[in-house]
Amino acid sequence: QKEVEQDPGPLSVPEGAIVSLNCTYSNSAFQYFMWYRQYSRKGPELLMYTYSSGNKEDGRFTAQVDKSSKYISLFIRDSQPSDSATYLCAMRVSGNTPLVFGKGTRLSVIA
Amino acid sequence: EPEVTQTPSHQVTQMGQEVILRCVPISNHLYFYWYRQILGQKVEFLVSFYNNEISEKSEIFDDQFSVERPDGSNFTLKIRSTKLEDSAMYFCASSGGTGDGAFFGQGTRLTVV
Repeated sequence: QKEVEQDPGPLSVPEGAIVSLNCTYSNSAFQYFMWYRQYSRKGPELLMYTYSSGNKEDGRFTAQVDKSSKYISLFIRDSQPSDSATYLCAMRVSGNTPLVFGKGTRLSVIA
Repeated sequence: EPEVTQTPSHQVTQMGQEVILRCVPISNHLYFYWYRQILGQKVEFLVSFYNNEISEKSEIFDDQFSVERPDGSNFTLKIRSTKLEDSAMYFCASSGGTGDGAFFGQGTRLTVV
């Protein structure tokens, strides 16, 4: 079983839709959970980070962590064409240990 | 806003040659990392560096690789004898170590021919 699994998509939605992106993981020691956005041939850009279980909201973005199910989600409300990118989930055991990434989900928001 | 900068953005090298990839992490960060991403694949951890020494490395980071922090601002990755399979995007990242995520540079695209 892969350590972090993420549906690669592609996912195509109309502008204004609510987008749901998800990852599952197998290592119960993961405590810190992040979402990154990556444009083609660019570096990952940190969008959200959460510690342990719970929700976190930042503007149009909401991150959810369910440690009991080993499942994390990112919701994007009122999606815009500029949200079109690859979204990577990543997680780590402690505050400075290496990140383990999912493969990324490619999202297209159609105007 | 502080950012991680990497140079060069693209490097083409002959197989067997040495390359040095350079990074300037965010100035008050303490932990530094190199990751790589082969085209179409996931971002993979190579090495982490803290307090002027390697703190962790993956099985990818073999004897062909080395890292250095030659001065107070730069952080380098050296590949001694490049192979075709080293072709990838190489990302430098830094973090403050408080679990708030790592901040990535824009990457160096390494092409080995």
